[in-house]
Amino acid sequence: NAGVTQTPKFQVLKTGQSMTLQCAQDMNHEYMSWYRQDPGMGLRLIHYSVGAGITDQGEVPNGYNVSRSTTEDFPLRLLSAAPSQTSVYFCASSYSWREHEKLFFGSGTQLSVL
Amino acid sequence: AQSVTQLDSQVPVFEEAPVELRCNYSSSVSVYLFWYVQYPNQGLQLLLKYLSGSTLVKGINGFEAEFNKSQTSFHLRKPSVHISDTAEYFCAVMIMGGSNYKLTFGKGTLLTVNP
Repeated sequence: NAGVTQTPKFQVLKTGQSMTLQCAQDMNHEYMSWYRQDPGMGLRLIHYSVGAGITDQGEVPNGYNVSRSTTEDFPLRLLSAAPSQTSVYFCASSYSWREHEKLFFGSGTQLSVL
Repeated sequence: AQSVTQLDSQVPVFEEAPVELRCNYSSSVSVYLFWYVQYPNQGLQLLLKYLSGSTLVKGINGFEAEFNKSQTSFHLRKPSVHISDTAEYFCAVMIMGGSNYKLTFGKGTLLTVNP
């Protein structure tokens, strides 16, 4: 049981490049979400999903896309990276949206956009 | 919409001293409240939560928090801290019921425990 796995751990991009941050969980969790963490800003919700085929926007969705084709995977896509997207990204999941108190977090992806 | 304010961005204390990390929230409806801890280079872990019932909530590692509805606060306390408690602590709130699936975090408080 690996929990929530994020890849890569580190990534450097040039402005305008695209990439996908991967998130996978092996706990059969319905609810998955992406947060970004910036110094002095706490964690801000980017997108979330309450089940396969269902996604919705969080607080800061602009510049990011998500999809949820399977229960296990919830990739986050940066379409055209910008320096403002330099951040640490966390994926989190829980058994259902009703159980936010049991959120499991991945170890994070540190992204730098030059 | 709900919001969370953590009043101190940094709290330095000496080992074995008591500590209180302050959290206030704003919401027009009832909420669930949480404290998460983030150790260096790691993801977040749930420390404790208030869903209903007793307003004094005990969590892991000797931490506790008290929900005060009249003051809209959920301060985190520990009577005697250890070096290993050095971490960033996040207060979070979620609206009770409805279709709001969003957990809103505060900006965090960095607790540094010095020998």
